[in-house]
Amino acid sequence: EVQLVESGGGLVQPGRSLKLSCLASGFTFSNYGMNWIRQAPGKGLEWVASISSSSSYIYYADTVKGRFTISRDNAKNTLYLQMTSLRSEDTALYYCARDWYFDFWGPGTMVTVSS
Amino acid sequence: DIQMTQSPASLSASLGETVSIECLASEDIYSNLAWYQQKPGKSPQLLIYYASSLQDGVPSRFSGSESGTQYSLEINSLQPEDEGDYFCQQSYKFPLTFGSGTKLEIK
Repeated sequence: EVQLVESGGGLVQPGRSLKLSCLASGFTFSNYGMNWIRQAPGKGLEWVASISSSSSYIYYADTVKGRFTISRDNAKNTLYLQMTSLRSEDTALYYCARDWYFDFWGPGTMVTVSS
Repeated sequence: DIQMTQSPASLSASLGETVSIECLASEDIYSNLAWYQQKPGKSPQLLIYYASSLQDGVPSRFSGSESGTQYSLEINSLQPEDEGDYFCQQSYKFPLTFGSGTKLEIK
């Protein structure tokens, strides 16, 4: 059974950093591109970043480019999102999702940016 | 960036009815479109990919179609469990973009 479990969210002050993780199981992680998608409270879905299976290709939304870094460790079956210079508008539930069609999603981890 | 204009923003329909949700892409996305359902408090679930391919485990009352840059999700024979939010998403070009969503209420 495919499982994705995000962790690392929490309350953080504006300008600080946070690193999210997504632990994958139930499939060959190294064969799939992976993604981060976020959803602000009561709002729609916003794609954040994508990384190819071997990390050769990485893409970011303009809203996070230069502040967020997506990475992966295929040996640990884990996807990461390093977030720096956090802003109030980054407050959202952050999901990881598998493949270029987001065929499996984790339950999400909440990030709240507030002083 | 490719804009996905989704309509309607909300709709209310009765059990057993058929409803349709539309997404208009701002440019040709060559069928690279997915539909997701999100129930309250839950993660989104993939329903349809590549415009009309049904994801494994999704009931056959869900179907997708396209006409030019207009994409449609049709839900036949509405069931209570179909209540929720629906989103389209294009995967043709980065940045990947979503429609603004449709809230479906079952009367």
